[in-house]
Amino acid sequence: QIVLTQSPAIMSASPGEKVTITCSASSSVSYMHWFQQKPGTSPKLWIYSTSNLASGVPARFSGSGSGTSYSLTISRMEAEDAATYYCQQRSSYPPMYTFGGGTKLEIK
Amino acid sequence: DVQLQESGPDLVKPSQSLSLTCTVTGYSITSGYSWHWIRQFPGNKLEWMGYIHYSGSTNYNPSLKSRISITRDTSKNQFFLQLNSVTTEDTATYYCAIYDGYFRFAYWGQGTLVTVSA
Repeated sequence: QIVLTQSPAIMSASPGEKVTITCSASSSVSYMHWFQQKPGTSPKLWIYSTSNLASGVPARFSGSGSGTSYSLTISRMEAEDAATYYCQQRSSYPPMYTFGGGTKLEIK
Repeated sequence: DVQLQESGPDLVKPSQSLSLTCTVTGYSITSGYSWHWIRQFPGNKLEWMGYIHYSGSTNYNPSLKSRISITRDTSKNQFFLQLNSVTTEDTATYYCAIYDGYFRFAYWGQGTLVTVSA
């Protein structure tokens, strides 16, 4: 079973600051999805297949990576971006869907 | 847009069974995709539990395989989660979600908090 490790676990950023969240996989994977979750709501698909923004996601977000290392980047932090972000992938054998432990992003 | 809504008891006693319903609107669960249950523990860890495919086949997280069952009622466009022999460790918010043709959890229900306590 592939394990996804996110770093950092918690971080804060000032408005306008560049933010990078990383997700490390224990074995090579083909893609990574990212979810945003705010308190009291369900996770929302944010970036899919490594680098594709979901509908309605601001262009200041981007995703990249390959193999065992993936990242989500915010070019300029805004207050509305404060949330917890999770990476997620699917392994083929055995069929399993795993999530990273989450990165809580706060606004300074 | 497809919408999913979880329902069921919010309190279950230890050793009993947890049963939840996911009602789907906007798409037939027999038309395509796979229909999943995911839970989030206090502390926010997310765990995939299992799915029922539009064909009716199922697949479960091996860590739950002896306790879990996912079924469906196609006439009501609903699918169900049953988790047996629950303990306090099963206290979580339970979500149903669709895994779509782009291989992603595109839509989630709003979640339902289930507490296991005597």
